[in-house]
Amino acid sequence: DTEVTQTPKHLVMGMTNKKSLKCEQHMGHRAMYWYKQKAKKPPELMFVYSYEKLSINESVPSRFSPECPNSSLLNLHLHALQPEDSALYLCASSQGTISLGAYEQYFGPGTRLTVT
Amino acid sequence: AQKVTQAQTEISVVEKEDVTLDCVYETRDTTYYLFWYKQPPSGELVFLIRRNSFDEQNEISGRYSWNFQKSTSSFNFTITASQVVDSAVYFCALSPPLGSGNTGKLIFGQGTTLQVKP
Repeated sequence: DTEVTQTPKHLVMGMTNKKSLKCEQHMGHRAMYWYKQKAKKPPELMFVYSYEKLSINESVPSRFSPECPNSSLLNLHLHALQPEDSALYLCASSQGTISLGAYEQYFGPGTRLTVT
Repeated sequence: AQKVTQAQTEISVVEKEDVTLDCVYETRDTTYYLFWYKQPPSGELVFLIRRNSFDEQNEISGRYSWNFQKSTSSFNFTITASQVVDSAVYFCALSPPLGSGNTGKLIFGQGTTLQVKP
């Protein structure tokens, strides 16, 4: 089963709201990722978790706060976002070893976020 | 520097035509991985293939085939007898070498939008 699930599918939030995006996988993968994708652009990496530890933060603003409660779950907490943060947010997972890049990433369907 | 170029922004074909999506990459490393992903209108990226830099064998999976040529730094993707369901954005991606502090970051091309008309 190569499934990554994400909730919610759509989210509309104001600039003063606090919300969270959730991601779950049951493939036994030890690496999980958050990407941001704007229309007609490739995904941009935001965060990588390896064995439940944050291994990379691609200079993402602090209004985005990731959390990995366990090996199957990944959250992205949102606070005080800007309209330009509106995008598709994709979660992915892959087998986690030292050689993360050797393995394909499996993506969830994404959360389409609109900030008003 | 590592880079992936998909020069074809959009391609439109009629159903049953064959179509090739081009991917050219740049890297100084001898060990690396290449990937193709499909993104249909629903938004989810679907993994299609992974190829490591030491395996230049071409691969065929049903109507899909891939041609990897290190001499030209290309990893092209061909769909034979295209179908309407093939309409999507296709991304080629490069993964940096193993053991280099590899974070798992994929370097994506800009994507090629394929439209297959009935």
